[in-house]
Amino acid sequence: DTGVSQDPRHKITKRGQNVTFRCDPISEHNRLYWYRQTLGQGPEFLTYFQNEAQLEKSRLLSDRFSAERPKGSFSTLEIQRTEQGDSAMYLCASSKDRISYEQYFGPGTRLTVT
Amino acid sequence: AQSVTQLGSHVSVSEGALVLLRCNYSSSVPPYLFWYVQYPNQGLQLLLKYTTGATLVKGINGFEAEFKKSETSFHLTKPSAHMSDAAEYFCAVSDQNKLVFGAGTILRVKS
Repeated sequence: DTGVSQDPRHKITKRGQNVTFRCDPISEHNRLYWYRQTLGQGPEFLTYFQNEAQLEKSRLLSDRFSAERPKGSFSTLEIQRTEQGDSAMYLCASSKDRISYEQYFGPGTRLTVT
Repeated sequence: AQSVTQLGSHVSVSEGALVLLRCNYSSSVPPYLFWYVQYPNQGLQLLLKYTTGATLVKGINGFEAEFKKSETSFHLTKPSAHMSDAAEYFCAVSDQNKLVFGAGTILRVKS
């Protein structure tokens, strides 16, 4: 078990372009979470999956954001028509099937929108 | 909704001194509480967690935290700071199916 992995680690894009990030969770974990972290702040919840079902989305997740977890394995987070305000670290985490279980975080994808 | 307040965005201690990082939470239900550490350009690593049972929780790298319901606090301590402890620390509380994080405290360790 190599932990949670994310790809890419860094992404620089121009405003208006679309970007997609990938997260591979720990294999036996049913839950997968996406968080966003901006400079000087703690991570903020975006969305989470229980297996392949997306069960909760934050109001931070505008219509330009979409997340999927096909077959309950890896997940992708797509941002369409990026804006400078989207620049942040996007963190993925996974856990077993209860909130009391700890969430294991990946290294994050740092997005810079120019 | 649940919330977390971390008092002090920056804390500076000398090597070998006591580390105390403060966390207060707001929760309408019995909380699950977590402390995470983040090194530059890395993800978050779990230090310790409180779910139920013993209120003094021991974690990795010599850290511990005490859940005090009456004070709605979950402060993180370590008896003797090491240079390698320099990092950013986040307190988090469970909120239904997600974690709510504080703004973080950057710990500086002076030699």
